[in-house]
Amino acid sequence: AQSVTQLGSHVSVSEGALVLLRCNYSSSVPPYLFWYVQYPNQGLQLLLKYTSAATLVKGINGFEAEFKKSETSFHLTKPSAHMSDAAEYFCAVSDATGNQFYFGTGTSLTVIP
Amino acid sequence: DTGVSQNPRHKITKRGQNVTFRCDPISEHNRLYWYRQTLGQGPEFLTYFQNEAQLEKSRLLSDRFSAERPKGSFSTLEIQRTEQGDSAMYLCASGLGGETQYFGPGTRLLVL
Repeated sequence: AQSVTQLGSHVSVSEGALVLLRCNYSSSVPPYLFWYVQYPNQGLQLLLKYTSAATLVKGINGFEAEFKKSETSFHLTKPSAHMSDAAEYFCAVSDATGNQFYFGTGTSLTVIP
Repeated sequence: DTGVSQNPRHKITKRGQNVTFRCDPISEHNRLYWYRQTLGQGPEFLTYFQNEAQLEKSRLLSDRFSAERPKGSFSTLEIQRTEQGDSAMYLCASGLGGETQYFGPGTRLLVL
């Protein structure tokens, strides 16, 4: 069985500060891992994905995430927060078949001017 | 590539009525997924199609829910005898192979 835990349902950072959103997964097989962003009343947009290539993954809008197998983590970071980054962020995991994706409960990011 | 589209975007219905939602995936994508998302939660998997075959169904998909994907193109999700607990955002996603999903804007359902 696969599952995702996102630590911290709400995170607040100042504009220009580091963004760190945490994600831990459990998977019995090497997983695919994803971060999605959701703006109010919209669908989910893919930020980045890990599919067993490089462990440091770069995504859109300056975000990146590092796959750490020993820690079963896939934390999302951005060096400098922008006001437009305020949104809900979801971590997701699937196995290689891609038949099912499992999402975390989300982290709401607030950026303080 | 026009993206995944869903219709309607919003639906208000009375308890006990039937509703049907439509999803048009990205044209070359063979996989199509339905999810339900309630307030403050992540998307919960409902069902998955590869081409026209429905290959996975969640336990969340009660017998009041049915999904189809005729000819492996668009898909419909029908909820019969709606209940207030069905109020949620229903998300559709499509993908090519199993690696990545691309989401539509969702259909927000409110059952009164």
